[in-house]
Amino acid sequence: DVKVTQSSRYLVKRTGEKVFLECVQDMDHENMFWYRQDPGLGLRLIYFSYDVKMKEKGDIPEGYSVSREKKERFSLILESASTNQTSMYLCASSLVGLGSNEQFFGPGTRLTVL
Amino acid sequence: AQTVTQSQPEMSVQEAETVTLSCTYDTSENNYYLFWYKQPPSRQMILVIRQEAYKQQNATENRFSVNFQKAAKSFSLKISDSQLGDTAMYFCAFMKHYGGSQGNLIFGKGTKLSVKP
Repeated sequence: DVKVTQSSRYLVKRTGEKVFLECVQDMDHENMFWYRQDPGLGLRLIYFSYDVKMKEKGDIPEGYSVSREKKERFSLILESASTNQTSMYLCASSLVGLGSNEQFFGPGTRLTVL
Repeated sequence: AQTVTQSQPEMSVQEAETVTLSCTYDTSENNYYLFWYKQPPSRQMILVIRQEAYKQQNATENRFSVNFQKAAKSFSLKISDSQLGDTAMYFCAFMKHYGGSQGNLIFGKGTKLSVKP
């Protein structure tokens, strides 16, 4: 079974703090994604990576950065957390190749910024 | 740009009955994939069913089936014999077919389905 894990299920931080959200997958997937999920807005793509040290901006990258130093790990960084970044963050991974490239999701991190 | 629209924010169904969730999308692409994902309360998002746009036959997975209307850009999910465990948020998603490259998902806003005993 594909396993995507996220470092925390719940996280509370203060405005201005630097926040790291970690995601690890164990199936040697090339692609990794960070989404933000908000009620009534669905999932919105923040950043994705299709290889080590490669990254691409998604639809809402402002206020976020990412790091992918190893294939299995993809980190989302909030340089200076703000209250409007309170949200559920989902990580996903997928293979590159022919086919439908199903994405496998982690359990999510619910981040509250006070 | 592609968009995905789920017009039903919430739905409910009695256990053992059938329910259909709607999804429409907009794209100028000819080759693509469509997905339905399920997110149970406080649990991980999982894939329910997928459809390749070049296939005319509608996909089925046990009690789950889709009605894919390519010309109308419609992709509805039918759940037969609904069970309490089907209670979840359901997301419709679109992916362009890159033929070997990475594919990004574009999600609808979701439909919250409640199955009542």
